[in-house]
Amino acid sequence: GAVVSQHPSRVICKSGTSVKIECRSLDFQATTMFWYRQFPKQSLMLMATSNEGSKATYEQGVEKDKFLINHASLTLSTLTVTSAHPEDSSFYICSAAPDTNQPQHFGDGTRLSIL
Amino acid sequence: EDKVVQSPLSLVVHEGDTVTLNCSYEVTNFRSLLWYKQEKKAPTFLFMLTSSGIEKKSGRLSSILDKKELFSILNITATQTGDSAIYLCAGEIYNDYKLSFGAGTTVTVRA
Repeated sequence: GAVVSQHPSRVICKSGTSVKIECRSLDFQATTMFWYRQFPKQSLMLMATSNEGSKATYEQGVEKDKFLINHASLTLSTLTVTSAHPEDSSFYICSAAPDTNQPQHFGDGTRLSIL
Repeated sequence: EDKVVQSPLSLVVHEGDTVTLNCSYEVTNFRSLLWYKQEKKAPTFLFMLTSSGIEKKSGRLSSILDKKELFSILNITATQTGDSAIYLCAGEIYNDYKLSFGAGTTVTVRA
């Protein structure tokens, strides 16, 4: 149980393109999902908390207009990297938990490369 | 600011060895300590520790939390090459359930 699916797994695109990443909880409902970014040889850094039916909350230093988050249903959150530039190239990972007493489970991640 | 520090940053062992990974934390409104294993993709869950002094085991892996001294250890016995990975620990915060990750320990197990 507690499967989180992320799509796509890999994106390569030109600078200026907007990229949408989907995060789905497959066998449970999640009112909250989390989005992380991981640069090479670094740990996971929390970007934002995605809240179903309300606005996402962003960590300090994360531009909310750059990283648009939508959590329209209890099983789907999307992260859109708008007008992506090479410095946005990174590994983006989402997580969710079936309830607050269970651990976060992670999607397989999306490797984003902006040329 | 919350801080999670792992040590060592990396280590290389031979199959059959035992490894001990350390994680110290300073997390405001601490709720639990989690361990994850990361290979090529995203982290996979290993342990969630909320109570001090109670060892959790899963096969050759075990972990324990000390809430007084603010640290946790992860032990891997009889290591195998498949144990090669980055091991991450994270402190979970009450109320918002955010995770604050350490930098990870890269374990390489040689045949």
